[in-house]
Amino acid sequence: DVKVTQSSRYLVKRTGEKVFLECVQDMDHENMFWYRQDPGLGLRLIYFSYDVKMKEKGDIPEGYSVSREKKERFSLILESASTNQTSMYLCASARGRGATNEKLFFGSGTQLSVL
Amino acid sequence: AQSVTQLGSHVSVSEGALVLLRCNYSSSVPPYLFWYVQYPNQGLQLLLKYTSAATLVKGINGFEAEFKKSETSFHLTKPSAHMSDAAEYFCALTGTASKLTFGTGTRLQVTL
Repeated sequence: DVKVTQSSRYLVKRTGEKVFLECVQDMDHENMFWYRQDPGLGLRLIYFSYDVKMKEKGDIPEGYSVSREKKERFSLILESASTNQTSMYLCASARGRGATNEKLFFGSGTQLSVL
Repeated sequence: AQSVTQLGSHVSVSEGALVLLRCNYSSSVPPYLFWYVQYPNQGLQLLLKYTSAATLVKGINGFEAEFKKSETSFHLTKPSAHMSDAAEYFCALTGTASKLTFGTGTRLQVTL
């Protein structure tokens, strides 16, 4: 089975801190995604990547950046955390470069609280 | 633009009753449609997907969904609910943009 691993299940940070959320997948997938999940809003796409060193903005990229130096790892960076970035963050991966009908495999999420 | 609308943020059914979770979509091109389920404290997992083959799609755990182009709908059903079906369900589509757009989710409660 594909495994998508997010480095932390719970994270508490202070306003203004730089925050790194790490995600690793073990199935050689081309595509990787970062979503945030908020009650009543569902999942919203922050950034995605179809290849190493490649990134594309999703629907809500403001306040975030990403890094993909290796195929298996996709990092989400909050340059200066703010309280409105308190949320559940979900990483996902899928096979195929740019494929749009492929199944996404999700990590179990990181609940980030910014105080 | 593409969008997904899930009607009803909370649905409650009795064990053994029919489950019906509603999803309507908007897309200017033929969409790919998905239902994902999220159990407590877990990530999402795929229940089923429609990719322009048969309009009635069968998924895991006894769920199925029917693609109706005329109604722009992709409702999820299960004939008989089980306690273990309690979870949050998300409808999603890829259409004009090469990315997955999710609905806001429906939380299913199953009562005895």
